[in-house]
Amino acid sequence: NAGVMQNPRHLVRRRGQEARLRCSPMKGHSHVYWYRQLPEEGLKFMVYLQKENIIDESGMPKERFSAEFPKEGPSILRIQQVVRGDSAAYFCASSPGVSTEQYFGPGTRLTVT
Amino acid sequence: DQQVKQNSPSLSVQEGRISILNCDYTNSMFDYFLWYKKYPAEGPTFLISISSIKDKNEDGRFTVFLNKSAKHLSLHIVPSQPGDSAVYFCAASPDNAGNNRKLIWGLGTSLAVNP
Repeated sequence: NAGVMQNPRHLVRRRGQEARLRCSPMKGHSHVYWYRQLPEEGLKFMVYLQKENIIDESGMPKERFSAEFPKEGPSILRIQQVVRGDSAAYFCASSPGVSTEQYFGPGTRLTVT
Repeated sequence: DQQVKQNSPSLSVQEGRISILNCDYTNSMFDYFLWYKKYPAEGPTFLISISSIKDKNEDGRFTVFLNKSAKHLSLHIVPSQPGDSAVYFCAASPDNAGNNRKLIWGLGTSLAVNP
């Protein structure tokens, strides 16, 4: 059973470009969570999704950020018009149900130049 | 406003001795607590958890203690091994009526186990 997959592992974007981060949850997991870790900080919750539904997006910046988890395919975190402050490690986690034990992917390190 | 606090950014322990990592929280609505371990350039790995109805949970070399009245939990690793060297995060889950189980994280404690 493969773990949570994230790609790309590293992403470099210039200011103003769009960043798309992908997350494939573990097989059988229908709950996906996105977290962001800024340099020298802990992880911050961004959004929690179930298939085709956003359950809680209270940690998402109101502008430029969006997330989806379609019926088929990976979950996508999209950042439009990136700025330097978006440079961070973005982690995706999944769980089989409402279990709090979330399983994390290796993260995508976004660098905005 | 840091609701989960790990006040020691780093800890150094001799191999074979006990490592004690501490975590404090401020929100009395938290009802589930977890410890994750993280190596550089990897995602966090779940270690052990504890529900607020318990005060202790043990799994092999890892034991978590919860003191609800003090809003404090600790992770004990005994005996410590060099492979335990990593950053340890304490996380808590709010008690929501719905399905939301987002995790609130501390800033982590970097543990170094010296041979």
